[in-house]
Formats: sequence, structure tokens, C-alpha cells
Amino acid sequence: GQQLNQSPQSMFIQEGEDVSMNCTSSSIFNTWLWYKQDPGEGPVLLIALYKAGELTSNGRLTAQFGITRKDSFLNISASIPSDVGIYFCAGQPSGSARQLTFGSGTQLTVLP
Amino acid sequence: EAGVAQSPRYKIIEKRQSVAFWCNPISGHATLYWYQQILGQGPKLLIQFQNNGVVDDSQLPKDRFSAERLKGVDSTLKIQPAKLEDSAVYLCASSRTSGRAHTGELFFGEGSRLTVL
Repeated sequence: GQQLNQSPQSMFIQEGEDVSMNCTSSSIFNTWLWYKQDPGEGPVLLIALYKAGELTSNGRLTAQFGITRKDSFLNISASIPSDVGIYFCAGQPSGSARQLTFGSGTQLTVLP
Repeated sequence: EAGVAQSPRYKIIEKRQSVAFWCNPISGHATLYWYQQILGQGPKLLIQFQNNGVVDDSQLPKDRFSAERLKGVDSTLKIQPAKLEDSAVYLCASSRTSGRAHTGELFFGEGSRLTVL
């Protein structure tokens, strides 16, 4: 099946800094999504991308769907303490087998 | 609107015992998913239902795992007998759309954490 390589695995940043994380795939995806998971909770959708080259923002979050359809990145600007959590990319291929594949996550820690 | 409800939140069992998890999706959501999330990993799909029919169970270990969604609403996931490697969080999710209109926008419950000793 499809595999997603998400990096970095973990990040420690100072409050107020910007952060970037990315996801790459060996397969083409028609949809890229970014989820955030807080401890003891289920993942929550942050941003969904449906077209190659698409750049979408949600507040301080910006995500892009790579032109090759094999990658996506998520940027968080001016980080705050509540940004702490695990960020997952997820991709969905075209065709009948539209199973959503998740990356292994980026653990973000924001230091005061 | 109420979110996806799951129970129990925590369960500790010994290997070879059985366990069942329950999920109630968001009202009106046709598609329901069970994911397994092992510590340090992303969620992995076990089974996907559309209404009360199975869409994808290719990654469900059918020798020990079973799931049903009899009336197209609530769902149960059962493990019998459990193994040590089944220790994980079992996440239920639902979505409004399905099939070719599936957007990948899933709403997850809080999960059921299973520890197998």
C-alpha cells in the first residue's frame, strides 16, 4: 500500500517562531489533509487540499499540495503554546481504493 | 452537533481474553471507520463501513478481529483472542460523504485505549 514519509519526527521551537513540516509519498494522491492530535484525543482536521499546486490557509496555518501530487507541507506561523501536539499528514489516492493513509506524525513542542 | 462517541475509554485485559469497543458516529454520517493507532504511529485503517455494508476490510486481521454495523448507525469492534501486539488506541471516525465523493474529511472520536498484558 501507499506509504507516507513525514518529517521531522519531532520539533522543539520557541514560542513565536514559525515551523514547517512536510510529507512525501511514492504514490500520487488526489487529496492531502493535515490533522492535529492532542494527548488523549482523536485527530482533528486542520486543512484539506484537493488540487495540485493549491495553497490554503486557516488562520496561522498554511498548507500546500505539491505540483507532483507526491508531497505536501504545513507551515505554522508565530507559534503559541496551544500549538503543541502531533501533526499528521494524510493522503488519499484516486480510483476506487480511496483509503486514507496517514503519516507517522510530527510531535511539536513549543517552549515558552 | 454531538461528536463521535466511543466507549470504553480505557481497557486492560490479559492476552487471549476478548474485548469489544463501541462507537456512535455523528448523526447522519453514512461512513464509519475503525482505525488502530499504535504508540508513535499514525492511525491505520482496519475497516470502513458505508451505511451497514463493508467497503474496505483489507487490513483487518480477520482471524481475531471482527466488526459490525447492523443498523447503519452504531458499530462494535471485537478482538478475540487478544495478543500483546494489539495494545493500541482504537479510533472510530465518521464522515458525511462516501464513495467517489469521499473528501477524506474525517471526524474522530476520543479513542479507546487498549492495554494487553
